[in-house]
Amino acid sequence: GIQVEQSPPDLILQEGANSTLRCNFSDSVNNLQWFHQNPWGQLINLFYIPSGTKQNGRLSATTVATERYSLLYISSSQTTDSGVYFCAVVDGTSYGKLTFGQGTILTVHP
Amino acid sequence: DARVTQTPRHKVTEMGQEVTMRCQPILGHNTVFWYRQTMMQGLELLAYFRNRAPLDDSGMPKDRFSAEMPDATLATLKIQPSEPRDSAVYFCASGLRAEQFFGPGTRLTVL
Repeated sequence: GIQVEQSPPDLILQEGANSTLRCNFSDSVNNLQWFHQNPWGQLINLFYIPSGTKQNGRLSATTVATERYSLLYISSSQTTDSGVYFCAVVDGTSYGKLTFGQGTILTVHP
Repeated sequence: DARVTQTPRHKVTEMGQEVTMRCQPILGHNTVFWYRQTMMQGLELLAYFRNRAPLDDSGMPKDRFSAEMPDATLATLKIQPSEPRDSAVYFCASGLRAEQFFGPGTRLTVL
């Protein structure tokens, strides 16, 4: 099956710093989503982005499908950004099953 | 504010007991997924329904797990008998097209 790798595994920032999270996938995809799992365990949809660039406030994402990677940018980070960020994809052979990466654990200190 | 709901949010039970988890998908969504999250395996798919029909449950241990959609507003996941290794957070997700939206999860602890 498709492999999804996220980097870095851990990231520690001071409030106000910017960061870039990366997601590499091993095959072509029909769907790519970024999620934030907050400290209470909830999975929050950030972006549905199988290709192109999207922005939502301080967050933006870019997926280059032909090169099989996606980037999540967080600007002016806040303590509430802490948590785990997951990239998940649906490959071309699947009906809709999301395959998740192992996540990036982000800690933002005040 | 449409969202996926799951009950119970927490469940502690003893080995051998039956556990039933329920999910109400977002109204109008025609796909429902059950995922399980553990520290060791991360997030993995257990079962998938489209228009209430089960399309894939290959991720579930068939001897003890079962998933159903009695109607369009209810999906259930049952474990009988439960085992300590079933301890995990179980998420339900629903979607209409490609994007999936997750419920808050059921945290299951089997003693």
